[in-house]
Amino acid sequence: AQTVTQSQPEMSVQEAETVTLSCTYDTSESDYYLFWYKQPPSRQMILVIRQEAYKQQNATENRFSVNFQKAAKSFSLKISDSQLGDAAMYFCAYRSAGSGGGADGLTFGKGTHLIIQP
Amino acid sequence: GAGVSQSPRYKVAKRGQDVALRCDPISGHVSLFWYQQALGQGPEFLTYFQNEAQLDKSGLPSDRFFAERPEGSVSTLKIQRTQQEDSAVYLCASSLGIRDRVWETQYFGPGTRLLVL
Repeated sequence: AQTVTQSQPEMSVQEAETVTLSCTYDTSESDYYLFWYKQPPSRQMILVIRQEAYKQQNATENRFSVNFQKAAKSFSLKISDSQLGDAAMYFCAYRSAGSGGGADGLTFGKGTHLIIQP
Repeated sequence: GAGVSQSPRYKVAKRGQDVALRCDPISGHVSLFWYQQALGQGPEFLTYFQNEAQLDKSGLPSDRFFAERPEGSVSTLKIQRTQQEDSAVYLCASSLGIRDRVWETQYFGPGTRLLVL
């Protein structure tokens, strides 16, 4: 079974600064997908960014980018120019590229609570 | 509607009661997922539907949990004889369901917060 670990329960950053959230995962599979989801206090989970494991290039979406290190099984999220609206719980998630046997759903970490200080 | 909706948003049940949680996915979405999120934890996968077919129920914690999607749209998660450990937020998500695009975005609903007393 796959596991996802987020070792930072809470992170705090000044508005306009850069922050990096850590995520590591454990899997024996070679093909999979990784995601960062944001969950604001309203609890509606929103996809921030995704990475296909077969791609070496790190994914980027505007102010959000990842550092994907496949050999180290690490997938960190960098948020540049932090804004007040970035405050939320951030979850790292894994999805197998296979199907069945629990592979269809996402496996989430426990989350990191990001605080933006004005 | 524009997004995934869930009802009720909050549910309080006495231990031993049966509850039914509803999910309305985005219109046209083939895939539907249920997750359980305990306090302070990340969501955990419960079950997955493709249209009306329940293709994966490996995450259901016990035979007290039952999910259905009889017409391939609305889904209901039923919990029989609720226990205190069932207290959690139950999240529903849907996606287009294009099978070869396993990375495709899952759109989540706001969740139903269940409290079992």
